[in-house]
Amino acid sequence: NAGVTQTPKFQVLKTGQSMTLQCAQDMNHNSMYWYRQDPGMGLRLIYYSASEGTTDKGEVPNGYNVSRLNKREFSLRLESAAPSQTSVYFCASSDPLARGAYNEQFFGPGTRLTVL
Amino acid sequence: AQSVTQLGSHVSVSEGALVLLRCNYSSSVPPYLFWYVQYPNQGLQLLLKYTSAATLVKGINGFEAEFKKSETSFHLTKPSAHMSDAAEYFCAVTTPARAAGNKLTFGGGTRVLVKP
Repeated sequence: NAGVTQTPKFQVLKTGQSMTLQCAQDMNHNSMYWYRQDPGMGLRLIYYSASEGTTDKGEVPNGYNVSRLNKREFSLRLESAAPSQTSVYFCASSDPLARGAYNEQFFGPGTRLTVL
Repeated sequence: AQSVTQLGSHVSVSEGALVLLRCNYSSSVPPYLFWYVQYPNQGLQLLLKYTSAATLVKGINGFEAEFKKSETSFHLTKPSAHMSDAAEYFCAVTTPARAAGNKLTFGGGTRVLVKP
């Protein structure tokens, strides 16, 4: 099992450019998440998807859109990148309703994004 | 609302010395608590979790944590630090209802430096 995979690993954008971060999981989890990690601020939830076909805003959704393409894949799109979106982005998945799961989340390796 | 406070954004320990990372949480109902570790340039991995069974929880790599309800704490310890323990550590909290609703709140993280 690969677990949670993310592409790309690194990306540099200019202000105003757009891009999509890809995430896939092979654990048959229902829920998927996008977080951003900034120094001293821990992880902040951008969007999540509780099941295929549903998405919900997290703590910091402004400037982002998401698509739950199918049960395996959950993408994050920046339509017009801004320097404030320079961050490390993590995708995660979980099965919160499974017995014994307690919403334990499994994380991908991250995408390091710089917006100039 | 739930919150997690990790005391100390950076901790420096000598190889072989005790590692103690502090985590305090706020929750109006019995919580589920987690410690995750993030090695450089990697995603987060689960170290251990508390889910209302034994209050002393043992995790991977020799780490353990003790749930103390009276102190609203879930501090992480390891008796003897190893160079490979250099990483960032995150405490996280949820509740049964919040877990079912895909919610997990992270602390700001503590970066551990291990000196030879």
